[in-house]
Amino acid sequence: GQNIDQPTEMTATEGAIVQINCTYQTSGFNGLFWYQQHAGEAPTFLSYNVLDGLEEKGRFSSFLSRSKGYSYLLLKELQMKDSASYLCAVPSGGYQKVTFGTGTKLQVIP
Amino acid sequence: NAGVTQTPKFRVLKTGQSMTLLCAQDMNHEYMYWYRQDPGMGLRLIHYSVGEGTTAKGEVPDGYNVSRLKKQNFLLGLESAAPSQTSVYFCATKEGTGKNNEQFFGPGTRLTVL
Repeated sequence: GQNIDQPTEMTATEGAIVQINCTYQTSGFNGLFWYQQHAGEAPTFLSYNVLDGLEEKGRFSSFLSRSKGYSYLLLKELQMKDSASYLCAVPSGGYQKVTFGTGTKLQVIP
Repeated sequence: NAGVTQTPKFRVLKTGQSMTLLCAQDMNHEYMYWYRQDPGMGLRLIHYSVGEGTTAKGEVPDGYNVSRLKKQNFLLGLESAAPSQTSVYFCATKEGTGKNNEQFFGPGTRLTVL
């Protein structure tokens, strides 16, 4: 089965950089997703990593280490609108399903 | 394109009542999912479908039934609602089995069972 662990809450300052960590245990690795979810809204896709290393997409980057079962989401130049929950997720059931972590609630303060 | 829509957006039920939540998509995606989201629990998969006419159980299927008679619609039924089913329900779709295919979520249905 899948087991995903993320910090529950984080606080960071506008303009700063924040790193949100995710550790996972899976019976077979098929990549890792990050989703963003603003309060009261639906999750939206941010990134997918299947190979080790850092993938950059504008202010957001996602890192993966398969040997360590570890990923992080890096948010640069934080803006108030980045206040949201960030969900780490791993595919399961031969890509048919996805198991989500409980999410990290990020609060950006002025 | 509407994407993924859910009906209704809000609903209050009394214990024992039944209801059906409708998810509709216009993206021609094969896979559809129903999740519930509760504080501190994250998104948990209730049922899913890998194509028209198919359904499968997820992590928390008890108390729910589903049907996928048409490719574009995925219905979630509660036959006898219980207070433990108070939650936010999200529908999601995925194009296929491509490993990097992300899920697209509907806006959610907020259900309260009294």
